[in-house]
Amino acid sequence: ETGVTQSPTHLIKTRGQQVTLRCSSQSGHNTVSWYQQALGQGPQFIFQYYREEENGRGNFPPRFSGLQFPNYSSELNVNALELDDSALYLCASSLQGESYGYTFGSGTRLTVV
Amino acid sequence: RKEVEQDPGPFNVPEGATVAFNCTYSNSASQSFFWYRQDCRKEPKLLMSVYSSGNEDGRFTAQLNRASQYISLLIRDSKLSDSATYLCVVNPFSGGYNKLIFGAGTRLAVHP
Repeated sequence: ETGVTQSPTHLIKTRGQQVTLRCSSQSGHNTVSWYQQALGQGPQFIFQYYREEENGRGNFPPRFSGLQFPNYSSELNVNALELDDSALYLCASSLQGESYGYTFGSGTRLTVV
Repeated sequence: RKEVEQDPGPFNVPEGATVAFNCTYSNSASQSFFWYRQDCRKEPKLLMSVYSSGNEDGRFTAQLNRASQYISLLIRDSKLSDSATYLCVVNPFSGGYNKLIFGAGTRLAVHP
């Protein structure tokens, strides 16, 4: 059983640029959730994808967008990067309808300069 | 008010000590509850689910009080390897879907 894989592991971008982060879900999982974790904080829910559609969103602006593909993998896109977007971005896969089986990837550490 | 609130710590305890973490949540309709553990610069990992009847896993005991919207985690006989951040997590099941809402975490440092 493969776990959740995220790429890249680290990234440095300039303010105003755009970034795409990628996530491969665990085998057998059909739902992907994305979280942002700033230094010293807990992960904050960005959004969730199921059946290739966004089915839930946290308090993040529209410049945070995503995609889910038929193989359940997912992308997180952030436009017009701001310094405050610097964080660890975590992807978690799960089965729709279950809250106890989340598997997290090791994250992408994004630094915006 | 934050949806999930925890004491950030840090808790500095000697090996063998008993330590307790507390957490409160704001959404009374929340349906499931967890403690996650996060090591420095790593992803969160599920430590245990939390049930109203209380549940135990080795040295770890979790308790939920729905009336007070309060969750606790007790660690007995602390080990050096218990040093980590402990995240209180709630699934409010709002909007018709499951999502995990994390507290800011409580840091534990166990020293020799």
